[in-house]
Amino acid sequence: DTEVTQTPKHLVMGMTNKKSLKCEQHMGHRAMYWYKQKAKKPPELMFVYSYEKLSINESVPSRFSPECPNSSLLNLHLHALQPEDSALYLCASSPQGALSGNTIYFGEGSWLTVV
Amino acid sequence: EDQVTQSPEALRLQEGESSSLNCSYTVSGLRGLFWYRQDPGKGPEFLFTLYSAGEEKEKERLKATLTKKESFLHITAPKPEDSATYLCAVGRAGGSYIPTFGRGTSLIVHP
Repeated sequence: DTEVTQTPKHLVMGMTNKKSLKCEQHMGHRAMYWYKQKAKKPPELMFVYSYEKLSINESVPSRFSPECPNSSLLNLHLHALQPEDSALYLCASSPQGALSGNTIYFGEGSWLTVV
Repeated sequence: EDQVTQSPEALRLQEGESSSLNCSYTVSGLRGLFWYRQDPGKGPEFLFTLYSAGEEKEKERLKATLTKKESFLHITAPKPEDSATYLCAVGRAGGSYIPTFGRGTSLIVHP
C-alpha cells in the first residue's frame, strides 16, 4: 500500500497569516519531498529530506520553511506568502532515500489560495 | 541538459479507440523512467517504473514500453474513466538525482 496523507486538502490564507501544511507516510520510506504545481504544469521540486535531513532546497524563498520532525512526518510552514504562491502543494515519498531510480509516490495534495 | 518531451500535448479518443502516448528523453545514464496518471486537482498516481530498454509493464488497459530514446504508454480500448493527464519523468544515474518531469499529455476519452 503506497499512501501519503496530506492535510488540509484546502487552505485559504491572507498574506500576513502563518499556516502549515502537513504530510504523513507510514510506509517506512526514507525520503520525503515537497513539490509545487501550477495549473497545466508538471510538479516543480521545492525540498527533499533524505533520512530526516534536508538534502535539497531548490532555491525556494524563505517564506516557505520545511520541517521533518521524524521519518514519517513532513511539514511546510508558510508565512507572508504572495498571491502568486497559490498552487497545489504535493508531498511525496520514496523508499530508499532520495536516490536515483527510486519511485516517488505522491499524496493527493493541498490546494493553497493566498488572498 | 536533461530533457523530457511528451507528445501529443492533448489527445481526444472515442471509447474503444486504442492509441499511444510518447515520452522522448535525453539523459546521461537513464536510471528509471516513471509514468504517472493525474486527475484534475489531485496528486499524480504512480503507474509504472521502467529501467532498461526492452522492458514492458502492463496494468489493466495500459502498457508501458521503453527504448533507448523514448517510452510509449499504450492504451488499449480506453474508457471514459481513463481520461486524465499522463506524466512521464526520467531519473539520471548518479547520487541523489531527482527525476525530471515532462509537461504531460492530457487525454480525454469520449463515450
